[in-house]
Amino acid sequence: GENVEQHPSTLSVQEGDSAVIKCTYSDSASNYFPWYKQELGKGPQLIIDIRSNVGEKKDQRIAVTLNKTAKHFSLHITETQPEDSAVYFCAASITGNQFYFGTGTSLTVIP
Amino acid sequence: GAVVSQHPSRVICKSGTSVKIECRSLDFQATTMFWYRQFPKQSLMLMATSNEGSKATYEQGVEKDKFLINHASLTLSTLTVTSAHPEDSSFYICSAPGTGDRETQYFGPGTRLLVL
Repeated sequence: GENVEQHPSTLSVQEGDSAVIKCTYSDSASNYFPWYKQELGKGPQLIIDIRSNVGEKKDQRIAVTLNKTAKHFSLHITETQPEDSAVYFCAASITGNQFYFGTGTSLTVIP
Repeated sequence: GAVVSQHPSRVICKSGTSVKIECRSLDFQATTMFWYRQFPKQSLMLMATSNEGSKATYEQGVEKDKFLINHASLTLSTLTVTSAHPEDSSFYICSAPGTGDRETQYFGPGTRLLVL
């Protein structure tokens, strides 16, 4: 089955700096890679996703890159703000099937 | 985006009792829903796939008689934790694929269960 690894487990950045979270996956058949933000006591919220036919996608301060050859994808948050502090999860899936989640990254943005 | 709700948001019960958690898709229909369990500071663990009109599919190691799943309609799936014990205390989250974009999963807000 699919194995998704996520690094780092914790990340602290100064407000305004960039944050990068990286994930690797094992199954080359995976073709959909979403990123979720989870605040304490709440369910995960989709923040951005990318499909295997695209190498990069950007939405305002958030971007995701995908390297299919190396089987890794990354989340980039620029100009971080305190409200970006949360736990972020990456996931990989084959279209229509179950998600395999990374272990999560706890991001703290220091004002 | 699609909205998924859960009820209750938190529940405290005595050991040995059963607890029902509801997951509803509010503005779309979901023939499939997923139930996850999350321990503190850990990732989401898929428990089972709920299928409307048929039996749920359970992941390895998940007791189907312990965690009863019923997908009674296209907008409602329920998870019943039977004869709950303190080790069942956890955060339970459901999700459903969105319509139109079947790849995306939309998650409910979660249910915090505490078994005393």
